[in-house]
Amino acid sequence: GQSLEQPSEVTAVEGAIVQINCTYQTSGFYGLSWYQQHDGGAPTFLSYNGLDGLEETGRFSSFLSRSDSYGYLLLQEIQMKDSASYFCAISGNTPLVFGKGTRLSVIA
Amino acid sequence: GAGVSQSPSNKVTEKGKDVELRCDPISGHTALYWYRQSLGQGLEFLIYFQGNSAPDKSGLPSDRFSAERTGGSVSTLTIQRTQQEDSAVYLCASSLGSGMNTEAFFGQGTRLTVV
Repeated sequence: GQSLEQPSEVTAVEGAIVQINCTYQTSGFYGLSWYQQHDGGAPTFLSYNGLDGLEETGRFSSFLSRSDSYGYLLLQEIQMKDSASYFCAISGNTPLVFGKGTRLSVIA
Repeated sequence: GAGVSQSPSNKVTEKGKDVELRCDPISGHTALYWYRQSLGQGLEFLIYFQGNSAPDKSGLPSDRFSAERTGGSVSTLTIQRTQQEDSAVYLCASSLGSGMNTEAFFGQGTRLTVV
């Protein structure tokens, strides 16, 4: 089967750097994705890691270590608008299985 | 279409009734996914289609749930004899393929309330 673990909640001050970790178990692993979901909205794609290392997209970066079955999403200079739920998702024998999500609360 | 379209956006039904939820994926997207999300919870995988085939139905919660996809496009998720625990938002997503580096695009969901 496939399973993912990520923290349920994170609270951080505006302007801070936040790291959201994700560990996974799966077979036939292809890659790790990250999605953002604002309250009442649909999930939207943030990033994908198929190879080990860091992928950077503006203020957001994502990291993958295949040997450790571990990845993280790094949010820099967080803003109030970044308050949302963040989901890691694995592509394996069953594509796009999601973790339970991490709720990020940004405070002033 | 421009995006993934789901209908209806809201559905209130009586316990024991059957419901059909519809998903229109982005044109040309071969992969289509169904998820269920309860309030404040994660995305529970239900089923995915590659073309008209469903290689993995293991996420369907019970035999009351079924899904089909026709013409490699529109998909319907059917819930028979609905129960109160079926109340949730049902999300559909589509992507160009189901392999590597495939960004999935989500619809706005159908909010199902079973009373």
